[in-house]
Amino acid sequence: EPEVTQTPSHQVTQMGQEVILRCVPISNHLYFYWYRQILGQKVEFLVSFYNNEISEKSEIFDDQFSVERPDGSNFTLKIRSTKLEDSAMYFCASRPGTSEYNEQFFGPGTRLTVL
Amino acid sequence: SQKIEQNSEALNIQEGKTATLTCNYTNYSPAYLQWYRQDPGRGPVFLLLIRENEKEKRKERLKVTFDTTLKQSLFHITASQPADSATYLCALFDGGFKTIFGAGTRLFVKA
Repeated sequence: EPEVTQTPSHQVTQMGQEVILRCVPISNHLYFYWYRQILGQKVEFLVSFYNNEISEKSEIFDDQFSVERPDGSNFTLKIRSTKLEDSAMYFCASRPGTSEYNEQFFGPGTRLTVL
Repeated sequence: SQKIEQNSEALNIQEGKTATLTCNYTNYSPAYLQWYRQDPGRGPVFLLLIRENEKEKRKERLKVTFDTTLKQSLFHITASQPADSATYLCALFDGGFKTIFGAGTRLFVKA
């Protein structure tokens, strides 16, 4: 069964460094998302991506964040200058263009630790 | 601002009983309400969706109700099993690009 994959599973970085989190959505899906979940807290929407552009973003998704779909396969989230409070689990999700349930398929997540 | 409230306390039930989880929301008129399951350290897994014009939806042992007047959804697991132990997330979906998740309710099913 197709699934969303994410790499790396765990990323440790120093404050101020840039990180790129990678995702491979399910092929033929058209909508792509990034979420984060700080330990013990709720899943928070960051950004959605459709038709090669950002369709919606939250207040969390400031100028330090960017997304890209460079090759029609990968979907990346870049954090330019990480802060301690960026430490969280980051989930990628994808959704088909048409679906009875509009369900999103989530990846296993990347745990980002900022020291 | 939009707000979703789920029971913050864990729900402990005996195997075989029906678990009922509550989701209340304010300042929002979602096109869809979804329920997801999340296990520790894993991504959410979609379970059910109910549309704003639907009152009830069933899937195997799962049942969801949606009351847009009360702004509330109830999620039921009948004949619960220890394998149902997880955190269950309520999510409001606008039909397009944004989904808002509740904090979730932890369910423990004892054998």
